[in-house]
Amino acid sequence: QKEVEQNSGPLSVPEGAIASLNCTYSDRGSQSFFWYRQYSGKSPELIMFIYSNGDKEDGRFTAQLNKASQYVSLLIRDSQPSDSATYLCAVNVDGRKLIFGQGTELSVKP
Amino acid sequence: NAGVTQTPKFQVLKTGQSMTLQCAQDMNHNSMYWYRQDPGMGLRLIYYSASEGTTDKGEVPNGYNVSRLNKREFSLRLESAAPSQTSVYFCASIARGLAEQFFGPGTRLTVL
Repeated sequence: QKEVEQNSGPLSVPEGAIASLNCTYSDRGSQSFFWYRQYSGKSPELIMFIYSNGDKEDGRFTAQLNKASQYVSLLIRDSQPSDSATYLCAVNVDGRKLIFGQGTELSVKP
Repeated sequence: NAGVTQTPKFQVLKTGQSMTLQCAQDMNHNSMYWYRQDPGMGLRLIYYSASEGTTDKGEVPNGYNVSRLNKREFSLRLESAAPSQTSVYFCASIARGLAEQFFGPGTRLTVL
């Protein structure tokens, strides 16, 4: 059974802090890893993807991948109230299908 | 440039009724996907189409059928709706492997 696990939260951080969102996966053959932001009642939006071990930065977002530990994380620096949303992690094994975690709800308090 | 459009936005069905959810994209992408999302859960893949004329099953295909009518359109059909199919359905258009993913606004379906 392929699984992707996320802490459902809610994760609450103060404005300006770093939010750290975590995701673990069970299939060692996983090839690529994706983070999405989903506002309440809206559709998911792809914000980051990472293929290789290490860090990938895009603006205030950093994705971190550790394949040995089967762990991928998303860091949001200088968190803003507009970052309050559910963040979904997804893992790809075969180049086509994505397995999603249940999402972590993030709340950024002014 | 509308991206990905879905119709209808909301639908209420009675058990046993049938309906078709429509999805269209204007980005000339080869791949299109159908997902369902239940409360407090991530997305689960129902069916996908890697190119015009091809479709494949995802994690939860039972009770659904799909048609890739042309490159733009990918429809999802419920032949005999069941309460367990109450969910939000998202269509996605995919390109560059999985590096580009665009989701439609969703269809909120309730089966009574």
